Amino acid sequence: QSALTQPPSASGSPGQSVTISCTGTSSDVGGYNYVSWYQQHPGKAPKLMIYEVNKRPSGVPDRFSGSKSGNTASLTVSGLQAEDEADYYCHSYGGGNNRVFGTGTKVTVL
Amino acid sequence: EVQLVESGGSLVQPGGSLRLPCAASGFRVSDEFVSWVRQAPGKGLEWVSVIYSDGNTGSADSVKGRFSVSKDNSRNTVYLQMNSLTPDDTGVYYCTHLKFFAFQVWGQGTMVTVSS
Repeated sequence: QSALTQPPSASGSPGQSVTISCTGTSSDVGGYNYVSWYQQHPGKAPKLMIYEVNKRPSGVPDRFSGSKSGNTASLTVSGLQAEDEADYYCHSYGGGNNRVFGTGTKVTVL
Repeated sequence: EVQLVESGGSLVQPGGSLRLPCAASGFRVSDEFVSWVRQAPGKGLEWVSVIYSDGNTGSADSVKGRFSVSKDNSRNTVYLQMNSLTPDDTGVYYCTHLKFFAFQVWGQGTMVTVSS
């Protein structure tokens, strides 16, 4: 299964918003409401930020939100803060034992 | 609190084998799903395998036939058995708690290097 497509980079100034897209197919992103997003700081393990398209785990700030339209999911980070600078990966369930990550997006806070 | 601790990573020659244990706490591996995800140096995340509460397993095409996952419920530990290793298998291997179709909690990772 091919990786989901994300833009390599995104950026914004502190306080601004940034939106990252994640494009798949009708067999994964478009076929299931099981898209999740992960934040990874350099040298650290990834951290779950959003699951089931738009649900936030306990402890994740409400500045992080998720959505989906057709075969494309999106993660929006509002009110950007310096600590939001990290790599972000989307993931989708694809039926059976099919699970696929996105290519990753490096978010820079200017 | 759910925690996962991987171990067993090392330098291994091409064609060799390695077993990675993942010790879980805060939940029972007999009742929940555990999945492995890896990351090659400087690259993105790649899903590797999963073991379900009933012991059934699944793997990515890239490792099918070479990697297998098992568990010891009495030790609350999951194992990733890796055979016929190639340099493309080099990377950090993470053990994760899979719930609601998402990798809820991650271990700190263990480094596997395949090189002669």
